[in-house]
Amino acid sequence: GAGVSQSPSNKVTEKGKDVELRCDPISGHTALYWYRQSLGQGLEFLIYFQGNSAPDKSGLPSDRFSAERTGGSVSTLTIQRTQQEDSAVYLCASSPRPGEETQYFGPGTRLLVL
Amino acid sequence: AQSVTQLGSHVSVSEGALVLLRCNYSSSVPPYLFWYVQYPNQGLQLLLKYTTGATLVKGINGFEAEFKKSETSFHLTKPSAHMSDAAEYFCAVSDTGNQFYFGTGTSLTVIP
Repeated sequence: GAGVSQSPSNKVTEKGKDVELRCDPISGHTALYWYRQSLGQGLEFLIYFQGNSAPDKSGLPSDRFSAERTGGSVSTLTIQRTQQEDSAVYLCASSPRPGEETQYFGPGTRLLVL
Repeated sequence: AQSVTQLGSHVSVSEGALVLLRCNYSSSVPPYLFWYVQYPNQGLQLLLKYTTGATLVKGINGFEAEFKKSETSFHLTKPSAHMSDAAEYFCAVSDTGNQFYFGTGTSLTVIP
């Protein structure tokens, strides 16, 4: 079956530009997570969506970062006025339910800010 | 807040030797514990997880991990390394299940 997909797979942008990263979770999965993977830093939690509940935004590093999830399915992570330190791999994961459930990860979007 | 420490960012073992990847966590409540593997140019996939019950958990590809509450550890082992085990391994902890905290990862190299 189809897994989690992310687009684009790679994105190169200039400092100060806005970028949008897309995540298509596995159909029927109610929980969706965004992470940032920087070299040598492991995975950093960014934001979590569960069903129609208000998202947990506690991991977003600044107000330049925002995310939405439309119709309980597709999610978009937006980074405004990108900075060089935003360069990283952005990973999306979904799971059937929150809690002890396995997360299924997408291949990630590699963002490079010049 | 929860945290995860993976000792050793790089581990090298000979093919056929024991694999031991260390993970210690901090959590104020009984945790859910996970090991994920990331093969080169691939996404993360679950190796195994501990939620409740038996503290020795078996996963895919011959890996297992033991939850030791007294040591706050969840080390990953495999009796005999295979070349195909070369990858990045991440330990993760969750208490509420809403947030997952990942370690910085351990890169495993298998020497022929």
